[in-house]
Amino acid sequence: DTGVSQDPRHKITKRGQNVTFRCDPISEHNRLYWYRQTLGQGPEFLTYFQNEAQLEKSRLLSDRFSAERPKGSFSTLEIQRTEQGDSAMYLCASSLYSGTPYEQYFGPGTRLTVT
Amino acid sequence: DQQVKQNSPSLSVQEGRISILNCDYTNSMFDYFLWYKKYPAEGPTFLISISSIKDKNEDGRFTVFLNKSAKHLSLHIVPSQPGDSAVYFCAASSLTDSWGKLQFGAGTQVVVTP
Repeated sequence: DTGVSQDPRHKITKRGQNVTFRCDPISEHNRLYWYRQTLGQGPEFLTYFQNEAQLEKSRLLSDRFSAERPKGSFSTLEIQRTEQGDSAMYLCASSLYSGTPYEQYFGPGTRLTVT
Repeated sequence: DQQVKQNSPSLSVQEGRISILNCDYTNSMFDYFLWYKKYPAEGPTFLISISSIKDKNEDGRFTVFLNKSAKHLSLHIVPSQPGDSAVYFCAASSLTDSWGKLQFGAGTQVVVTP
């Protein structure tokens, strides 16, 4: 069990560019979550998948954001036409949902800086 | 709409003493609570959780207490060790409402001094 991994760890981009982040969850986990964390705040929920189905999206997730989990394994989060306000840490988490309380395990995050 | 609040941004405690971190919530639908610890440049690490059917859960040096009537929970770390220096996040979830997504507080920075 190698844990949740995210790539890249850091991304610097110019305003208006598109960026894509990848998350590889713990292999047997069926749920995958994306969160965003800004300085001095806790992580904020963006969206989550159960297997390949995207079940909920936060109103924080504007139309410029899209997430996929095509085969129920890894996931990608794309931000189009980046803005300076998108600068944040993007965290991915996974869990094994079996109908009982469960914990989410987080990756190290991707720090995005939009200049 | 901040439904989970950690009102103390920082806490300094001497090594060997007890650390008490507090968390308040406003949403009565929350029925599962977790504490996470975060070191710089790492993702949050799960510490301990508690279901709303309990009022206490203990795991080694970590104990979480839940007071449902006050909508308040606390994390006790005893004895505190230098490696406990980190940011601690309280998180809450409604297993029947929001499908397990977590709502986090803003975190409390704990510094354990020798």
